[in-house]
Amino acid sequence: QSALTQPHSVSGSPGQSITISCTGTSSDIGAYDYVSWYQQHPGKAPRLLIYDVTKRPSGIPDRFSGSKSGNTATLTISGLQADDEGSYHCCSYAGVYVSLFGGGTRLTVL
Amino acid sequence: QVQLLQSGPEVKRPGDSVNVSCKASGYTFTNFYIHWVRQAPGQGLEWMGIINVYGNTATYAQGFEGRVTMTRDTSTQTVYMQLTSLRSGDTAVYFCARVEGVAATASLLYWGQGTLVTVSS
Repeated sequence: QSALTQPHSVSGSPGQSITISCTGTSSDIGAYDYVSWYQQHPGKAPRLLIYDVTKRPSGIPDRFSGSKSGNTATLTISGLQADDEGSYHCCSYAGVYVSLFGGGTRLTVL
Repeated sequence: QVQLLQSGPEVKRPGDSVNVSCKASGYTFTNFYIHWVRQAPGQGLEWMGIINVYGNTATYAQGFEGRVTMTRDTSTQTVYMQLTSLRSGDTAVYFCARVEGVAATASLLYWGQGTLVTVSS
C-alpha cells in the first residue's frame, strides 16, 4: 500500500488553468472509479472538491474538474483565483475498504 | 447540519496510548462509514482506517495494524480511535471524516476540526 504520487508543487497566474496529476497503480486508481480530491488551507480541515473521479459536491464551482486515464487521475482548475492557493490531495480506493492518499501538491497563484 | 466534534489536544510520552473521540450529530449515525486520517507537521494526508459504524467493524491501513483500534458508541453517537505504543513520528493532527454517500470509499465530505497529538519525551 504505497502512497499515490503527486507533484510537490505547481503554480499559475490568475485566470490560467492548471492541472495536478495523481499516479497510482492498477490496484488502486486503475482498478476503481473512486478517486477524490481535496483542497486544504493552512490550519484547516480538507475540503472535498471531487469524488468518484468526476463528481462535484454541492457548492463546488465547475472551475474544478476531475478525470482519469489508466493509473493516473488529474485535477484541473480553470480560471485560477487567488484563494485557490493552498494544498491539494488526491485519494483513491484500493479495495477491501482500504484507501490511499497522495503526498499532496502545493499550489501557488503567482 | 452534519457536525463532527473531536476531542481536544493531547500531549503524550513515547510508549503511551492516545484515545481520540469524534462525536457526530445532524444525521443518522449508523448509516455512514467514518474514516480516520492524520497529517504530520508539513506533510500530506495519511489514511489510517475506516469503521463501519452500523456493524462496529473496522479495517486499518497496513502501517497501523496492531497499534490502532477504531470503535463506536451508538448511545452517544461517538467514534473513537485509539493508537498505542506512540512514538515521535505519531505527532500529527488526527481527523475523523464522514463519507459523502453510503459507500465505504473515501469521498470525505464532512470533517472534524482535527485533534493535535504531540508525542514528546
